[in-house]
Amino acid sequence: KAGVTQTPRYLIKTRGQQVTLSCSPISGHRSVSWYQQTPGQGLQFLFEYFSETQRNKGNFPGRFSGRQFSNSRSEMNVSTLELGDSALYLCASSLEVAGGPVSSYEQYFGPGTRLTVT
Amino acid sequence: AQSVTQLDSHVSVSEGTPVLLRCNYSSSYSPSLFWYVQHPNKGLQLLLKYTSAATLVKGINGFEAEFKKSETSFHLTKPSAHMSDAAEYFCVVSDPEGGYQKVTFGIGTKLQVIP
Repeated sequence: KAGVTQTPRYLIKTRGQQVTLSCSPISGHRSVSWYQQTPGQGLQFLFEYFSETQRNKGNFPGRFSGRQFSNSRSEMNVSTLELGDSALYLCASSLEVAGGPVSSYEQYFGPGTRLTVT
Repeated sequence: AQSVTQLDSHVSVSEGTPVLLRCNYSSSYSPSLFWYVQHPNKGLQLLLKYTSAATLVKGINGFEAEFKKSETSFHLTKPSAHMSDAAEYFCVVSDPEGGYQKVTFGIGTKLQVIP
């Protein structure tokens, strides 16, 4: 099976612009989560989508948004970019088994999109 | 409340010596616990997970971790470090909060392996 793919891998944007990142989960995985990774803050949870619905959300401003399509592919959008948005954005998918313990689902991560804001 | 503390931000070992990466957690539930590894410029890869079965969990690449409820710890160990183990390691706690999986990552421990 193909792993989680993220596009683009690298991106350079200017302050004030907006950006859209894409994530394709492993086939059959319906849960997709997004994380922001920076040297100072570590890995921070952005949001999670399941069956096209946002199920969980982290503590990020409204400039960060996302969506999920019927084929489970997900996009995240950041509007009005700030210098502090420079980070590695990671996407992860997981397979939820009906009746399985909710807390036990392991996540499969993509390689990330490196966003640099200048 | 859910939290995870990785007690060391950096660990340095010599090749061939044991590795110990420490992790303590806090959870209102009976959590699942994970260790992930991230090599430079790569995504995260699952090393192992604990889900209330055996308290000693074996993972890939010779790593294992022991769940100790009384100490709220889930330390990662390996008997003999290899150069390829140099990476950043993340301890993760997972709860079924609100009926869905809520996940918190530790800040990470960078492992340096000295030849």
